[in-house]
Amino acid sequence: AQSVAQPEDQVNVAEGNPLTVKCTYSVSGNPYLFWYVQYPNRGLQFLLKYITGDNLVKGSYGFEAEFNKSQTSFHLKKPSALVSDSALYFCAVRDGSTGGFKTIFGAGTRLFVKA
Amino acid sequence: EAQVTQNPRYLITVTGKKLTVTCSQNMNHEYMSWYRQDPGLGLRQIYYSMNVEVTDKGDVPEGYKVSRKEKRNFPLILESPSPNQTSLYFCASSLRGREAFFGQGTRLTVV
Repeated sequence: AQSVAQPEDQVNVAEGNPLTVKCTYSVSGNPYLFWYVQYPNRGLQFLLKYITGDNLVKGSYGFEAEFNKSQTSFHLKKPSALVSDSALYFCAVRDGSTGGFKTIFGAGTRLFVKA
Repeated sequence: EAQVTQNPRYLITVTGKKLTVTCSQNMNHEYMSWYRQDPGLGLRQIYYSMNVEVTDKGDVPEGYKVSRKEKRNFPLILESPSPNQTSLYFCASSLRGREAFFGQGTRLTVV
């Protein structure tokens, strides 16, 4: 069975500091991993994904994530946070081995960036 | 413009009154899905569809129906809504193995 854990409900960081939003996953086959961001009163927007290839994935708005197979983690990072990065972030996983579309989302992590 | 369109954006209804939330995408995506978002629970998949006339249950399908008669449309039907279906609903579409595009959401209140 697939599962995703985002262990932090909320992450607080000062503007200009690096940020990390954590995600661990469980999937029986090959993981397809995604990060999405949700701004207030909006739908989810895609940030980045890992399907195969380099473990370090770069995405939109300066975000990146590192796939770590041994730790089954896919943490989202940014070297220098902006106030405008404040939003709700979701990690998601699919089982790529089955070719299916069943996607499991984490509960979300709210990021607050203070000026 | 590539987009997923849901209607209505807001809906207040009474228990037991059948309703349909429409979803349409203009990207020729094979896959479409419905999610509900509840505080502290993230997004939970209700139903998904891999192509026309092919649908399957997600994690929380009880009380919902879907149909996929055309590739672009994937309506969500609540035959007899109950207060525990009060939630924020999202439709999404994607190509196989690719990221999902989400609609703007439908905030449903059942009283």
